[in-house]
Amino acid sequence: QSVLTQPPSVSGAPGQRVTISCTGSSSNIGADFDAYWYQHLPGTAPKLLIYGNTNRPSGVPDRFSGSKSGSSASLTITGLQAEDEGDYYCQSYDRSLSGRVFGGGTKLTVL
Amino acid sequence: QIQLVQSGAEVKEPGASVKVSCKASAYTFSDYYIHWVRQAPGQGLEWVGCISPNSGGGDYAQNFQGKVTMTSDTSTSTAYMELNRLTSDDTAVYYCARGHFFGGLDYWGQGAPVTVSS
Repeated sequence: QSVLTQPPSVSGAPGQRVTISCTGSSSNIGADFDAYWYQHLPGTAPKLLIYGNTNRPSGVPDRFSGSKSGSSASLTITGLQAEDEGDYYCQSYDRSLSGRVFGGGTKLTVL
Repeated sequence: QIQLVQSGAEVKEPGASVKVSCKASAYTFSDYYIHWVRQAPGQGLEWVGCISPNSGGGDYAQNFQGKVTMTSDTSTSTAYMELNRLTSDDTAVYYCARGHFFGGLDYWGQGAPVTVSS
């Protein structure tokens, strides 16, 4: 059971928008620790998509955006493309566990 | 370009130990922590811990304390993760990644599969 809760799966048609939620607690995201998002495509290493809740590293398309409210964070992908299909993970730091924690992951299917 | 290159696949028997390496290039090795993250078959990502090559100090996830030892060699820009008393539950792909103590993990190794089987 992950400390950060994500939906197991989301789906959308090409061109549509999807949002992936990440629900934490007062011990992690709610304690003002930042949220991060990673994309993990089959056969590749994870890739940092969003850092510091809302920031995109250089090279990440602006179709990907992050937000944070209270103890939760969200990743929104607009203009869905076939190559976006894969797994997405949120991550933060947990004060009670004294370490980084990942969400359980969300499988994105592009219909 | 910045790269983290990990050692190859390992097959170990239960009760054995394994040491995975992660060689960094094209940046100042001591300026960043090396984190280790694993993914067991069919499971999600799990943070194992991290090490500061600058100080040599490590910080391990609670689930891995007593199980893992992380070291680094600044002369070769290489980090190591050793897992002991292996069980089938340790079968996973182990990734190294660059980051600070907090903050995002911006560069990742290609992953090192470890299989524990008799």
